[in-house]
Amino acid sequence: LAKTTQPISMDSYEGQEVNITCSHNNIATNDYITWYQQFPSQGPRFIIQGYKTKVTNEVASLFIPADRKSSTLSLPRVSLSDTAVYYCLVARRTGTYKYIFGTGTRLKVLA
Amino acid sequence: GAGVSQSPRYKVAKRGQDVALRCDPISGHVSLFWYQQALGQGPEFLTYFQNEAQLDKSGLPSDRFFAERPEGSVSTLKIQRTQQEDSAVYLCASSPAGPDADTQYFGPGTRLTVL
Repeated sequence: LAKTTQPISMDSYEGQEVNITCSHNNIATNDYITWYQQFPSQGPRFIIQGYKTKVTNEVASLFIPADRKSSTLSLPRVSLSDTAVYYCLVARRTGTYKYIFGTGTRLKVLA
Repeated sequence: GAGVSQSPRYKVAKRGQDVALRCDPISGHVSLFWYQQALGQGPEFLTYFQNEAQLDKSGLPSDRFFAERPEGSVSTLKIQRTQQEDSAVYLCASSPAGPDADTQYFGPGTRLTVL
């Protein structure tokens, strides 16, 4: 299954748009991509999920190019409460089950 | 409704002791996952259940690790003869059947410290 890598950390200011990219060069046809947010001493919390192209929900957008070797989580107008670690997960639920989390990106939102 | 719960939240064990970590998934969720998260790292997959069937246990690091879900609901992760390298947060997640089957809902984790 795909090995996933992410930038270790990012800083942003309140109100800005933040884009976090995850690289998954070896992604397979049946793999899908999910992004999670994790605060200290809590389990990861689901943000958004996609397979290809663009997905948008009330909190984020997910961009996946045609080759699917990367994905970008976009957080519009971040606030201080968005300070957390963000993980991408590349997963496969058919055939050989595998669930591979990325290295995580520590986002710090500054006032 | 109630989310995934895990107990205990914190566990301290002496090296060589056996420990048992419990996960109560969201009611009705068919899939259950266990992950190990070392300090400052992303979660690493341990094992996956669909109802009571353990469909993948390839992530269990050694034969000291054992997981079960006998009635397709509550799951227990057991670690025998704990070692210091077992110190980590153990996360449990569950997911429903149907269109949201790929969305995992995580519990708060059990932080295991082996002295």
